[in-house]
Amino acid sequence: AQSVTQLGSHVSVSEGALVLLRCNYSSSVPPYLFWYVQYPNQGLQLLLKYTSAATLVKGINGFEAEFKKSETSFHLTKPSAHMSDAAEYFCAVRENFGNEKLTFGTGTRLTIIP
Amino acid sequence: GAVVSQHPSRVICKSGTSVKIECRSLDFQATTMFWYRQFPKQSLMLMATSNEGSKATYEQGVEKDKFLINHASLTLSTLTVTSAHPEDSSFYICSAVPPSGSSYEQYFGPGTRLTVT
Repeated sequence: AQSVTQLGSHVSVSEGALVLLRCNYSSSVPPYLFWYVQYPNQGLQLLLKYTSAATLVKGINGFEAEFKKSETSFHLTKPSAHMSDAAEYFCAVRENFGNEKLTFGTGTRLTIIP
Repeated sequence: GAVVSQHPSRVICKSGTSVKIECRSLDFQATTMFWYRQFPKQSLMLMATSNEGSKATYEQGVEKDKFLINHASLTLSTLTVTSAHPEDSSFYICSAVPPSGSSYEQYFGPGTRLTVT
């Protein structure tokens, strides 16, 4: 069984400040890990993914995440927040073979303070 | 890039009626599509896996007779909410997986907001 825990349902940062959204996973097999962003009343857009290659993954819009097996973590970061980053962020995990089903975390709402 | 569309984007129906939601992969073929449900300010809950040419696989607790899924072709899956009730009001999102799976990711549609009155 696999699961995802996102610490902090709401995160607020000032414009220009570091963004850090936390994600910890549980998986009985090596995982694939994803971060998605959702704007109001829209579907999900992939920010980045880890598929067992480089542990530091760079995504769109200046986001990156680091896979740390020892900590079972895949935290999302961005050095400098923009107002347009305000959205809901979801971490997701799937097994690295066969089953394509994604398990999502509960989401983190990011608010940017002007 | 891979694009997935959903139609309609919003629908309001009366209690007891049925409503059909379409999910289309516009520029790739998808042997597998997924249907999710999202309640306000909550995460996505997987409802079922839709496979072209075969019966859908439903997650535990999802009523297969209420949420009918048909994967009619490699580019179209439909979700029909039968005898809808107000508690079925939700945001429904589909996703599609390219057959090779080499991108490891699902491509999501924009979602359909269902309101049952």
